[in-house]
Amino acid sequence: DAKTTQPPSMDCAEGRAANLPCNHSTISGNEYVYWYRQIHSQGPQYIIHGLKNNETNEMASLIITEDRKSSTLILPHATLRDTAVYYCIVRVQPDNYGQNFVFGPGTRLSVLP
Amino acid sequence: DTEVTQTPKHLVMGMTNKKSLKCEQHMGHRAMYWYKQKAKKPPELMFVYSYEKLSINESVPSRFSPECPNSSLLNLHLHALQPEDSALYLCASSFPARYTEAFFGQGTRLTVV
Repeated sequence: DAKTTQPPSMDCAEGRAANLPCNHSTISGNEYVYWYRQIHSQGPQYIIHGLKNNETNEMASLIITEDRKSSTLILPHATLRDTAVYYCIVRVQPDNYGQNFVFGPGTRLSVLP
Repeated sequence: DTEVTQTPKHLVMGMTNKKSLKCEQHMGHRAMYWYKQKAKKPPELMFVYSYEKLSINESVPSRFSPECPNSSLLNLHLHALQPEDSALYLCASSFPARYTEAFFGQGTRLTVV
């Protein structure tokens, strides 16, 4: 699996957009980018995933650069409840043997009042 | 139903005890995972089951013994654990061979005394 690099921590003011970057310069053509978050002592929560097109759902938007070497997760209006560790994961093409979701250190996002 | 249910939520066990962690899902997922998470660290993959067969064992000590009795259940049998095995144990499930997300349970907080 391609390695990902994320800043260890970020702050964001409540109500503002939170932009979380992820570098995955060794990503291959069949590898997807997934984002999860983990609020203190809870299980990781799925946010969004994509291959090369930008994606949006009710939680966030995912912007993937044209060369796919980096991506940005955008939380459009951050709230205090968005304070969590955010993980960017790059996954190989799945097969019938199951798939690895391999977590890196992630970014600790603090939303400040 | 998009839940992965883990029981118990908390477990305290002695080093000579035998205990089991249980994980259940009813989403029709045929890939199930065990992760271990130490404080302030990302989840680390332990085992992957695909179609009820063990497909990945990340060199986990034999005092951890996984079992997948059917497509909805995943157990982790614990025996002769050490205090350093104290951690949050997370279960997850997904469809194998699809680019879909994995769902995580809320974890079992294990303390070995």
